[in-house]
Amino acid sequence: GQQLNQSPQSMFIQEGEDVSMNCTSSSIFNTWLWYKQEPGEGPVLLIALYKAGELTSNGRLTAQFGITRKDSFLNISASIPSDVGIYFCAGSRRGSSNTGKLIFGQGTTLQVKP
Amino acid sequence: SQTIHQWPATLVQPVGSPLSLECTVEGTSNPNLYWYRQAAGRGLQLLFYSVGIGQISSEVPQNLSASRPQDRQFILSSKKLLLSDSGFYLCAWSGQGDSPLHFGNGTRLTVT
Repeated sequence: GQQLNQSPQSMFIQEGEDVSMNCTSSSIFNTWLWYKQEPGEGPVLLIALYKAGELTSNGRLTAQFGITRKDSFLNISASIPSDVGIYFCAGSRRGSSNTGKLIFGQGTTLQVKP
Repeated sequence: SQTIHQWPATLVQPVGSPLSLECTVEGTSNPNLYWYRQAAGRGLQLLFYSVGIGQISSEVPQNLSASRPQDRQFILSSKKLLLSDSGFYLCAWSGQGDSPLHFGNGTRLTVT
């Protein structure tokens, strides 16, 4: 079945550093989404991407929809302690059923040292 | 604005007991509804999704079932829980078209 390869699996960085993570797939996706999950809570949507090549920012977060439609990356600039959490990429392929089913990456666990 | 409510937040149940987790969405109509399970804090697995009342699609064979008795209500059930049913269960909704998923806060289920 379809899979998303998300890397790195985990990161331990110093406060103030920039962070980069990415997702790749062997299949083409029409939508790429990035979520953040904090312990004991549900994932929260950070950025949604709908067009190949699209670059979108949300504060210190920037994400891009790859030109080939098979990959996406998320950058976090000047990390702060509250950036700690698990970041998930997700992609969808819209067919006639329009169910909106997402394929999720395995997540990148981010830890920030003050 | 739309909100999603999921309860209970935590649940401890013995093996063989029944299960009922409830999820409701407010502020929208005819949403797509989903149940996911997450093991060990990562890896979201889609269990069920529904595009309308009474319409349930199962993604994986398992000990669980889902029902959608009302437009904005989604229920996850089991007649007899197994140890392997332990996990973090997330309800989510989406609108039509390319709208993204929005998750509830999850239910931590421990089967003992």
